[in-house]
Amino acid sequence: TQLLEQSPQFLSIQEGENLTVYCNSSSVFSSLQWYRQEPGEGPVLLVTVVTGGEVKKLKRLTFQFGDARKDSSLHITAAQPGDTGLYLCAGVQVNTGNQFYFGTGTSLTVIP
Amino acid sequence: NAGVMQNPRHLVRRRGQEARLRCSPMKGHSHVYWYRQLPEEGLKFMVYLQKENIIDESGMPKERFSAEFPKEGPSILRIQQVVRGDSAAYFCASSRGLADSYEQYFGPGTRLTVT
Repeated sequence: TQLLEQSPQFLSIQEGENLTVYCNSSSVFSSLQWYRQEPGEGPVLLVTVVTGGEVKKLKRLTFQFGDARKDSSLHITAAQPGDTGLYLCAGVQVNTGNQFYFGTGTSLTVIP
Repeated sequence: NAGVMQNPRHLVRRRGQEARLRCSPMKGHSHVYWYRQLPEEGLKFMVYLQKENIIDESGMPKERFSAEFPKEGPSILRIQQVVRGDSAAYFCASSRGLADSYEQYFGPGTRLTVT
């Protein structure tokens, strides 16, 4: 059983379109992070959200942490080919501060 | 300001040999995590270490796998008597402290291929 489920698993869109990736769980997390990973490389941290309802923006990327801290979303506006990659969410469960649990990943392809 | 370093980047081993993967954390980071990633999958936690201590190894297979983070030098993930199923990308990450308080930063990974 996967603690963090991401959807969709695969996404292929045209340049300029908008998209949203979801990260869902039945567990509560003290914090949640989003990463982007390119082939042959390690994940690169994009953002950390820690407060329920928190919204953070990073240029064309908007991240939201659910009010109950069980889910998160990543919205990309006007996607560009450089956004192509594997997007991973990862969270630390409340009261178990040792492990990061990673989501199943969303593979995004932006077609020029 | 070097990031997390891992070596080797690629490692080929025959079945039954030993694999040693090394990870040097970012400067100032004393916490190291190891993960395994199979193709088209997310990362699976293996072990969490501080200097000279294993804090959480609940994700490590019970046999053939071990990890250490000595007082001096890099963290080592050791796989004895490798089998084909051990072929994967192994990533380490480092942080300043506990996962719920500090962000972790990843190295480029070691791709292990068992032939």
